[in-house]
Amino acid sequence: QKEVEQDPGPLSVPEGAIVSLNCTYSNSAFQYFMWYRQYSRKGPELLMYTYSSGNKEDGRFTAQVDKSSKYISLFIRDSQPSDSATYLCAGTSYGKLTFGQGTILTVHP
Amino acid sequence: SQTIHQWPATLVQPVGSPLSLECTVEGTSNPNLYWYRQAAGRGLQLLFYSVGIGQISSEVPQNLSASRPQDRQFILSSKKLLLSDSGFYLCAWGRQSLNTEAFFGQGTRLTVV
Repeated sequence: QKEVEQDPGPLSVPEGAIVSLNCTYSNSAFQYFMWYRQYSRKGPELLMYTYSSGNKEDGRFTAQVDKSSKYISLFIRDSQPSDSATYLCAGTSYGKLTFGQGTILTVHP
Repeated sequence: SQTIHQWPATLVQPVGSPLSLECTVEGTSNPNLYWYRQAAGRGLQLLFYSVGIGQISSEVPQNLSASRPQDRQFILSSKKLLLSDSGFYLCAWGRQSLNTEAFFGQGTRLTVV
């Protein structure tokens, strides 16, 4: 079993839609969780960084962590074509980040 | 502010040739450093990480090695490349902490032919 599982998609939504991206994890040692956005042929860019159960909001993005069920989510409100990218979730434990395989998102006008 | 530089951006190498990819970080000291590989359509696989000069941890047995000759320099090497070494290689840095986010360079796309 992979430590971080993520539905690879692809996911296609119309502009303005609310997007929900999800991951599950199995490693109970994970303390911190991250969401990255990766455009084609570029390095991943950190979007959100959370360390506790609950919600964290930053503009149109909300990260949600439920440690009891080992479930993490990223919500994108009012999605834009510029949000089209691969989204990667990650958990960290003892200095090591473990990533899901990424979800490919396309927002069409 | 901190920046990370990784080069070259693309590289085409013949099978059996050596490899050296370099990564440097500016604007911080004593960072954690990481090398990841990303196969097409897949997530990031951690190859090596380092918490200090000369301290390298390997995550997967492979044809690659890493070195950290200076505090903010991380090098990925191979003596003889295999076709299976093709991929997108990413260097990243994190703050000196057990639980830290990582910040990535722009990557090197390596094609072994």
